[in-house]
Amino acid sequence: GNSVTQMEGPVTLSEEAFLTINCTYTATGYPSLFWYVQYPGEGLQLLLKATKADDKGSNKGFEATYRKETTSFHLEKGSVQVSDSAVYFCALSQGGANSKLTFGKGITLSVRP
Amino acid sequence: DTGVSQDPRHKITKRGQNVTFRCDPISEHNRLYWYRQTLGQGPEFLTYFQNEAQLEKSRLLSDRFSAERPKGSFSTLEIQRTEQGDSAMYLCASSSGRYYEQYFGPGTRLTVT
Repeated sequence: GNSVTQMEGPVTLSEEAFLTINCTYTATGYPSLFWYVQYPGEGLQLLLKATKADDKGSNKGFEATYRKETTSFHLEKGSVQVSDSAVYFCALSQGGANSKLTFGKGITLSVRP
Repeated sequence: DTGVSQDPRHKITKRGQNVTFRCDPISEHNRLYWYRQTLGQGPEFLTYFQNEAQLEKSRLLSDRFSAERPKGSFSTLEIQRTEQGDSAMYLCASSSGRYYEQYFGPGTRLTVT
């Protein structure tokens, strides 16, 4: 079956540091890949997505590239802010009749001023 | 605000009681999903509907759980004879479009005492 593996957390960074959060997946075919973010006290929000190999999703300064050869979708940001403190989830969907999302465990990011 | 809404936001119940949650999707979305999230974990898929048809149910969804989506609009999730292990955040999401990115509601937090 499908699975998503995220790096262990939590992660604590200073403001303006570079961020990488690793995500790898196991799935058949070519799933769509997503990053969701959950800010404190709020619901899950779609951060970015990529639907085919070599696609780059981007939003709010975050980027992730769909790497089929390494089955990865690592999240990066060049300069984090305190407001980026949240829980980040990597997820995949096969689409079509199998459109449910399979999530990783999530990782908590704390950014210090 | 035309996002996904869920009601109630919080529910405390005693073991053995029945509870029902409601989800109102984004109005033009034809797919509706239910997930369950426990502390420190990513959301886990429970079931989903396309219009009024329930197309898939997870093995997590025991016989005590039932979901409906009459007329393809709002959905309800009922848990009968609640157990302490049912304590979790219940999330609803809706989607439409080719790549099926899902938009989540704020969730209903269930506590079974």
